[in-house]
Amino acid sequence: DQQVKQNSPSLSVQEGRISILNCDYTNSMFDYFLWYKKYPAEGPTFLISISSIKDKNEDGRFTVFLNKSAKHLSLHIVPSQPGDSAVYFCAAPPANAGGTSYGKLTFGQGTILTVHP
Amino acid sequence: ETGVTQSPTHLIKTRGQQVTLRCSSQSGHNTVSWYQQALGQGPQFIFQYYREEENGRGNFPPRFSGLQFPNYSSELNVNALELDDSALYLCASSFVGFSTEAFFGQGTRLTVV
Repeated sequence: DQQVKQNSPSLSVQEGRISILNCDYTNSMFDYFLWYKKYPAEGPTFLISISSIKDKNEDGRFTVFLNKSAKHLSLHIVPSQPGDSAVYFCAAPPANAGGTSYGKLTFGQGTILTVHP
Repeated sequence: ETGVTQSPTHLIKTRGQQVTLRCSSQSGHNTVSWYQQALGQGPQFIFQYYREEENGRGNFPPRFSGLQFPNYSSELNVNALELDDSALYLCASSFVGFSTEAFFGQGTRLTVV
């Protein structure tokens, strides 16, 4: 039962262009989402999050959009840089997350982003 | 401030053996969670420890067990290793009530032969 899905295993983008990474979820009770980035031989690092009370959250070059009716979120990176090349995971804690719940994440399969110079 | 550190970084074990992986939480964090990441997959939640007690478990059998110590460091123990246990094991720590993000270690790559 894959509750968080990233259907694109990989994405290749030219430097300076926009990267759009997609994520779908099936559990309508999820109310908070996070994106993590992972470089080889390193652990995932937190990138950006969004609460279900919002439909957009922006942090510098990174913007996450949430479409609750479609159970879909996307991460936009503008402009993309070669250093952004990594595996990107979307994740969600259990519904009504609070307290210890943020450590019990359900992850998608990940999307490998490659940004070409 | 130190980050989350895990040891060892790589490990090879034989099927049927037992293994212990270790995690040192980020300073000040009071919860620790363990994840298994198989090749080409996202991390899967194994269990979490809070106040030295198990506080939630994913879909993993009892041969996966853990401990959290008073200094918030943690161990993951796996008994009767199977070939499918070969994976990257990630530890993540967080602080209840302070932050919504979990901080991950670099992982331990376990190979079962």
